[in-house]
Amino acid sequence: QVTLKESGPVLVKPTDTLTLTCTVSGFSLYNPKMGVTWIRQPPGKALEWLAHIFSNDEKSYNSALKNRLTISKDNSKSQVLLTMTDMDPVDTATYFCARTYYFVSGNLFFDYWGQGTLVPVSS
Amino acid sequence: EIVLTQSPATLSLSPGDRATLSCRASQSVSQYLAWYQQKSGQSPRLLIYAASNRATGIPARFSGSGSGTDFTLTISSLEPEDFAVYYCQQRSHWPPTWTFGQGTKVEIK
Repeated sequence: QVTLKESGPVLVKPTDTLTLTCTVSGFSLYNPKMGVTWIRQPPGKALEWLAHIFSNDEKSYNSALKNRLTISKDNSKSQVLLTMTDMDPVDTATYFCARTYYFVSGNLFFDYWGQGTLVPVSS
Repeated sequence: EIVLTQSPATLSLSPGDRATLSCRASQSVSQYLAWYQQKSGQSPRLLIYAASNRATGIPARFSGSGSGTDFTLTISSLEPEDFAVYYCQQRSHWPPTWTFGQGTKVEIK
């Protein structure tokens, strides 16, 4: 059974650095057909992809946020971390992690999602 | 960056109706397109990948079509549990990055 669970602070202050953890089970972070990605969703708004990490540690980032994001993983703990620097109230959102799966012909999409964690940014 | 535009923003239909949702890309995405369903307060669920392939466990009333820049998600006969927001998503080639459309809300008329 594949599960992903996000964890992080209940409140972040402006200019702080956010660190989120995604703990996975039911699949291996070593599997070459899989990766883990982070997505966020401000209240009442659309989904926004943030960052992705492959089994071989190759990473990709949303170009608009690249300077603020770092994704990493700890295979031994089955965890993927996301840090976002210089947080602002506009970064208030539910942050999801999801498994990326390599379907046919280069189609790499998100087949399992965590429940999400709401991160308010406020002084 | 490729922009996905979904239409309409809201679709008001009754159970049993056919729903047709559109997603247009600002440039060709080949068949690197997926559709997700998100019910209120829940995480998104993958419905369709590679433009027309149903994900595991997705009912046959959901179908996807299109390639290049124009894509369609069709729900052949709406069930009560299908009223939700639907997002399309594309994947750029390499390194992989993804963008979502702004969503279409399917609401009960």
